[in-house]
Amino acid sequence: SYVVTQPPSVSVAPGQTARITCGGNNIGGKSVHWLQQKPGQVPVLVVYDDSDRPSGIPERFSGSNSGNTATLTISTVGAGDEADYYCYVWDSSGDHPCLIFGGGTKLTVL
Amino acid sequence: DVQLEQSAGEVRKPGDSLTISCQTTGYIFTTNWITWVRQVPGKGLEWMGRVQPGESYSVYSPAFQGHVTFSSDKSTSTAYLHWSSLKASDTAIYYCARLGDYFDKSGYPYDFDSWGQGTLVTVSS
Repeated sequence: SYVVTQPPSVSVAPGQTARITCGGNNIGGKSVHWLQQKPGQVPVLVVYDDSDRPSGIPERFSGSNSGNTATLTISTVGAGDEADYYCYVWDSSGDHPCLIFGGGTKLTVL
Repeated sequence: DVQLEQSAGEVRKPGDSLTISCQTTGYIFTTNWITWVRQVPGKGLEWMGRVQPGESYSVYSPAFQGHVTFSSDKSTSTAYLHWSSLKASDTAIYYCARLGDYFDKSGYPYDFDSWGQGTLVTVSS
């Protein structure tokens, strides 16, 4: 089945830009979505369809997707952005479409 | 408001059976997929599969196929997750989540627009 790979951790200083990658075979041909999960909370959608933002999500959150890598970019990072981030895609290669999560990336604000 | 209310945490022994529930309110139960997501404490999200309420149709992730069973009850707008024989490795938080009314470029719903609060299942001898 399809595999989606994320780095376990990313660290960035306050005010800098964080980039979290999501790798998969020709993932550029899929729609990639991103969730943010803070400790003790349920996940929240921050980017959908590679690069679109739900209402209420700051413009600091953006995304891109090409080739074998999708990227979530968070600009001007603050302490409130410290969380786990998960990318996910739908995979239709099997008998039935299945949703595949990446392993998650812990964003630490130094 | 759409709300998903999950049953309380459970403690069981290996080999026990268990059913946890996810009661929904605020929308027509049969119109949206309900998905189940596992999260081992301190670990990542794992998609277990989805149920189409009212149609008795479920899709299971290969990692969970044969080990769990989804079901739903239209009369109570409730989805269920069932194990017939628990293992210690089933210890985790289990979330139900509704997939909303928006579709991605590939035609699949992408928005987990409402989540239950999670049910902690502890399996220990």
